[in-house]
Amino acid sequence: DGGITQSPKYLFRKEGQNVTLSCEQNLNHDAMYWYRQDPGQGLRLIYYSQIVNDFQKGDIAEGYSVSREKKESFPLTVTSAQKNPTAFYLCASSIGPLGTGELFFGEGSRLTVL
Amino acid sequence: AQSVTQLDSQVPVFEEAPVELRCNYSSSVSVYLFWYVQYPNQGLQLLLKYLSGSTLVKGINGFEAEFNKSQTSFHLRKPSVHISDTAEYFCAVSDAGGTSYGKLTFGQGTILTVHP
Repeated sequence: DGGITQSPKYLFRKEGQNVTLSCEQNLNHDAMYWYRQDPGQGLRLIYYSQIVNDFQKGDIAEGYSVSREKKESFPLTVTSAQKNPTAFYLCASSIGPLGTGELFFGEGSRLTVL
Repeated sequence: AQSVTQLDSQVPVFEEAPVELRCNYSSSVSVYLFWYVQYPNQGLQLLLKYLSGSTLVKGINGFEAEFNKSQTSFHLRKPSVHISDTAEYFCAVSDAGGTSYGKLTFGQGTILTVHP
């Protein structure tokens, strides 16, 4: 079945450590996105990529980094510069600039900083 | 640029009662509209979408929504809810003209709680 796979589902990190969240899709979509979700704050866009080897900052990119070396993969690194990294992270994909905007989501990764 | 307002942050309702979750949007161009559902600790799942044509859209799990262009609304309804409908619901909009490059703008979400 086509879809988006995020891993790990749960992750614990000590303060000062970088951590990388994986996102893989087999939908042949051009565009991929990372969202952060906190209680009562909806979805906030961290980074997005509309094509391989290109990505743009979203609304809350500070303290995060991404890469898009392959169409299928869009990993997110939460760096030690992110002041409040404990959150639920969602990866999504869409057809791309010529699509309707419909997003397909992964199951999410919950990061807890100890 | 678009914006989306979900008018209720929480909606409590009893089982088998009808429910309406309200969504208003703002846009200077034609739009596509979506409703997503999120169960605890899961990703978002598409409930239904309006792209064109009939303004009454039917989705999964017995939900439907009506696009009202004059009132810039896209309210979600279900005539009889079940306990299993307890979840958070998100309304979203994208620009049908392509100037937002296929990106969605989300509302803040409405938590629907169905009580027995």
